[in-house]
Amino acid sequence: AQSVAQPEDQVNVAEGNPLTVKCTYSVSGNPYLFWYVQYPNRGLQFLLKYITGDNLVKGSYGFEAEFNKSQTSFHLKKPSALVSDSALYFCAVRDRNSNSGYALNFGKGTSLLVTP
Amino acid sequence: EAEVAQSPRYKITEKSQAVAFWCDPISGHATLYWYRQILGQGPELLVQFQDESVVDDSQLPKDRFSAERLKGVDSTLKIQPAELGDSAMYLCASSLEVGTFWFFGPGTRLTVL
Repeated sequence: AQSVAQPEDQVNVAEGNPLTVKCTYSVSGNPYLFWYVQYPNRGLQFLLKYITGDNLVKGSYGFEAEFNKSQTSFHLKKPSALVSDSALYFCAVRDRNSNSGYALNFGKGTSLLVTP
Repeated sequence: EAEVAQSPRYKITEKSQAVAFWCDPISGHATLYWYRQILGQGPELLVQFQDESVVDDSQLPKDRFSAERLKGVDSTLKIQPAELGDSAMYLCASSLEVGTFWFFGPGTRLTVL
């Protein structure tokens, strides 16, 4: 099965500083990778995805992610963090399930705290 | 903007009681998913529908959980009887084209006492 790992439970950054939330993947073949954000007691909001093409993917709210095949990583980045970016971030990979459908497999999540 | 609807948003129940959650996907989305998210963990797939048919329910605890999507539109997830370990956020998602994009609803937060 395709999987992703998020090595950090929490990331702390000061407002205005760049942020990075890490994700590594384990897949066979070409990965379809996603980032989602979750605010307290809310559903998941899509940020960006990588399917093919340019290794730098730009998404919503100023976020971007860099696909690195040699390091099997897909880290989420933002040049200047905002307090409102504080939330739970999930990396996910598309996986084919037993009956030829597709589903998303998620990492355990990384809590981002941006301090004023 | 079209959204995935879920109700109720919050549910508190006692163990051994029955609970049901409802999901209405975005119109025209043939694929519907139910995920369970335990606090501090990532969402895990419970069941996937393509129209009214179950595509994958390998992670659904079938002794107590059931899911249906009778007309291929909205869906209901039921737990009977609920156990303490079922306390979690239950997320519904839908997809127009299989495997390309997932839209998530706001979720139902279940607390079992």
